[in-house]
Amino acid sequence: QLQLQESGPGLVKPSETLSLTCTVSGGSISSSGYYWGWVRQPPGKRLEWIGSIYYSGSTYYIPSLKSRLTISADTSKNQYSLKLSSVTAADTAVYYCARDQGNFEIDYWGQGTPVIVSS
Amino acid sequence: DVVMTQSPLSLPVTLGQPASISCRSSQSLVNSNGNTYLNWFQQRPGQSPRRLIYKVSNRDSGVPDRFSGSGSGTDFTLEISRVEAEDVGVYYCMQGTHWPGTFGQGTKLEIK
Repeated sequence: QLQLQESGPGLVKPSETLSLTCTVSGGSISSSGYYWGWVRQPPGKRLEWIGSIYYSGSTYYIPSLKSRLTISADTSKNQYSLKLSSVTAADTAVYYCARDQGNFEIDYWGQGTPVIVSS
Repeated sequence: DVVMTQSPLSLPVTLGQPASISCRSSQSLVNSNGNTYLNWFQQRPGQSPRRLIYKVSNRDSGVPDRFSGSGSGTDFTLEISRVEAEDVGVYYCMQGTHWPGTFGQGTKLEIK
């Protein structure tokens, strides 16, 4: 059974960089055909897909975050990571890592980790 | 981006009664390959989302058959034939035909 688990600080100061890691077990992030993504949910708002990394290493980001977002993978640890720079209160959200089979057919989710941006 | 609009946003249902959630997209979700990438997710209180339905009407493994999905083009529906207590939570539709994938606002199902 595939499992995904997010980890990282729950509190980040404004203008700093938010860093989260997703550790995958029960399957390899190098498996052909899968995208490994991040979805966030700000308080009281809808879920928002923000970006992903393909098994080949290609990355995809929503335009509004493209200048601040970096997603990378460490296949030796079977992990992938998110870095969001210059955060503001608008980046406060629960962040989920998730596996996408393609065409946003998201079949596995992590438990989610809340991140608050505050001084 | 494609806007997904769900209704109702709040759905009180009596145990054992049916429930229906509507999801409308701002553009047709028929892909150039002929598939329609419309998913339904359930998020129970305190849990992460769980996919119930993919490609409009395909139930995921382990999903009770009281859940069914239907629709085409821009109009889609999730139906629960007989609501049970474990169905309480928020339901989201999500389209994957147009990049980036986008979610509906969510419909909160509660027991009357």
